[in-house]
Amino acid sequence: EPEVTQTPSHQVTQMGQEVILRCVPISNHLYFYWYRQILGQKVEFLVSFYNNEISEKSEIFDDQFSVERPDGSNFTLKIRSTKLEDSAMYFCASSDLAVYEQYFGPGTRLTVT
Amino acid sequence: AQSVTQPDIHITVSEGASLELRCNYSYGATPYLFWYVQSPGQGLQLLLKYFSGDTLVQGIKGFEAEFKRSQSSFNLRKPSVHWSDAAEYFCAVGRPNSGYALNFGKGTSLLVTP
Repeated sequence: EPEVTQTPSHQVTQMGQEVILRCVPISNHLYFYWYRQILGQKVEFLVSFYNNEISEKSEIFDDQFSVERPDGSNFTLKIRSTKLEDSAMYFCASSDLAVYEQYFGPGTRLTVT
Repeated sequence: AQSVTQPDIHITVSEGASLELRCNYSYGATPYLFWYVQSPGQGLQLLLKYFSGDTLVQGIKGFEAEFKRSQSSFNLRKPSVHWSDAAEYFCAVGRPNSGYALNFGKGTSLLVTP
């Protein structure tokens, strides 16, 4: 069964460093998303991406964040200058034309020290 | 503002017993409703969804949920719980015309005892 994959599974970085989280969505999907879950809190929407552009972003997704689909298979989330409060589990999701069926990856745990 | 409430943070049930997890939402129209499950160290798996039509929806793993417009609820049920059902359960609301972002509740942690 096709699945969303994410790398790395765990990333440790120092405050102020740039990180790139990578996702490979399901191959025939057209919509891509990033969510995050701070430990002990709910899953929060960050951004959705369609047709090579952002379709919606939350107030969390400020200028420190960017997304890109650099090729036909990868979808990345970049945090330019990480803060301690960026420590969270980051989930990638994708969906096809039935856009509400979002399939989630296993997540990348980002730890900022 | 839109919100999703899962009143129970933790629930403990005995294996074989029935289960009901509560979810209430606040939204100006009928939203799209979902239940996801997250096992330890795993991603989120879609259990079931409601868009329109029959208000009782069937999902995977023997789960079902009922949409009640009058109560703004979408409670998840299972007639007989298995130990493997122990996990975190999230109710989510999708907002039409919003870029399809999902708004999640805080989750209910299910513990299954022998």
